[in-house]
Amino acid sequence: NAGVTQTPKFQVLKTGQSMTLQCAQDMNHEYMSWYRQDPGMGLRLIHYSVGAGITDQGEVPNGYNVSRSTTEDFPLRLLSAAPSQTSVYFCATQPTGGPGEQYFGPGTRLTVT
Amino acid sequence: TQLLEQSPQFLSIQEGENLTVYCNSSSVFSSLQWYRQEPGEGPVLLVTVVTGGEVKKLKRLTFQFGDARKDSSLHITAAQPGDTGLYLCAGAKGFQKLVFGTGTRLLVSP
Repeated sequence: NAGVTQTPKFQVLKTGQSMTLQCAQDMNHEYMSWYRQDPGMGLRLIHYSVGAGITDQGEVPNGYNVSRSTTEDFPLRLLSAAPSQTSVYFCATQPTGGPGEQYFGPGTRLTVT
Repeated sequence: TQLLEQSPQFLSIQEGENLTVYCNSSSVFSSLQWYRQEPGEGPVLLVTVVTGGEVKKLKRLTFQFGDARKDSSLHITAAQPGDTGLYLCAGAKGFQKLVFGTGTRLLVSP
């Protein structure tokens, strides 16, 4: 089992460019989420999904779009990158019915210049 | 709004020392989790506590959930260099939307 995989590992964008961060899981978890991690800010929830076809906003959703067409994949799209989106992005899954424990991918380090 | 405050933010100790990390909030959580994160990797779940007053032990690590389910502590006995990392607490309100603390960065020197 690969668990949660994320691509790319590193990415540099210019302001205004768009890109998609990929997240895939093979644990058959219904719940998936995206976080960003910034120094001194901890992990903040961007968007989450409770199952295929269902997504909702987290704490910091502005500038990001998501969709969930399959259980396995949950891509995060930046439509017009801004320097404020420079961060490390983590995708996570959560088993249904548990107390909320998250299983994280290895992260994508994004720099917007 | 940061609902979970961790202290200390940084801790640098020698191998063999004991330490305690605190996670405090004014909110009540249905469960609280502790994660460890190493550089370049995602956080890895260490433990989940769900009952007020609950104590869980994981080898040299002891986790406690406060009686009122608003706070938690992580105690490490005889720290080793392999314990180095960023320790994060996270509170759950129901099934979804974990709230993470700001983290405690631990460095254990040989």
